[in-house]
Amino acid sequence: GAVVSQHPSWVICKSGTSVKIECRSLDFQATTMFWYRQFPKQSLMLMATSNEGSKATYEQGVEKDKFLINHASLTLSTLTVTSAHPEDSSFYICSGEREIVHNEQFFGPGTRLTVL
Amino acid sequence: AQSVTQLDSQVPVFEEAPVELRCNYSSSVSVYLFWYVQYPNQGLQLLLKYLSGSTLVKGINGFEAEFNKSQTSFHLRKPSVHISDTAEYFCAVSDRGDYKLSFGAGTTVTVRA
Repeated sequence: GAVVSQHPSWVICKSGTSVKIECRSLDFQATTMFWYRQFPKQSLMLMATSNEGSKATYEQGVEKDKFLINHASLTLSTLTVTSAHPEDSSFYICSGEREIVHNEQFFGPGTRLTVL
Repeated sequence: AQSVTQLDSQVPVFEEAPVELRCNYSSSVSVYLFWYVQYPNQGLQLLLKYLSGSTLVKGINGFEAEFNKSQTSFHLRKPSVHISDTAEYFCAVSDRGDYKLSFGAGTTVTVRA
């Protein structure tokens, strides 16, 4: 159990367009979901924390108007990269924290975004 | 705020040999500690975690780690590795009461026959 999926697994878009990434907890309810960004050969950097039904909390330096996060239900969170630019190209990973198992995040497989 | 340092970026090891991946952290408060593994094109999977109690923590796939508070370390070990252990390994820390994770840069383990 505790499976998280992401869609799409990879996406290529033109500069200036917007891209939506979905994160779903398939077999559990995630009260909290996290979005991370991972550059090649680097660690995961937390971008934002979202709780179902409330606004996301963004980490310092992350533009909330550029990275729109919606956590509409206990099984779905979306990250929209608005007006994407080449510097937004990265690996985006989400995770969900299960209601009854705190301190453990279950990670999705990631989405590779390439902005041309 | 916490930070995590993984001292080895790459660790090549022969099959059936032991491996140790080093992790040091810094934090002004008590922490929870984690090791995650990332196989190619897959998400992170929890290997083990330390929340409290015994400082020697056993995880999945034969891995174990020891929490050393005085040295602020949480090194990961496996006595005998398999080819299938080839992956990226991440050490992570969170402050108690705050579920945000801070990750180390990762250690690439390559197991050779």
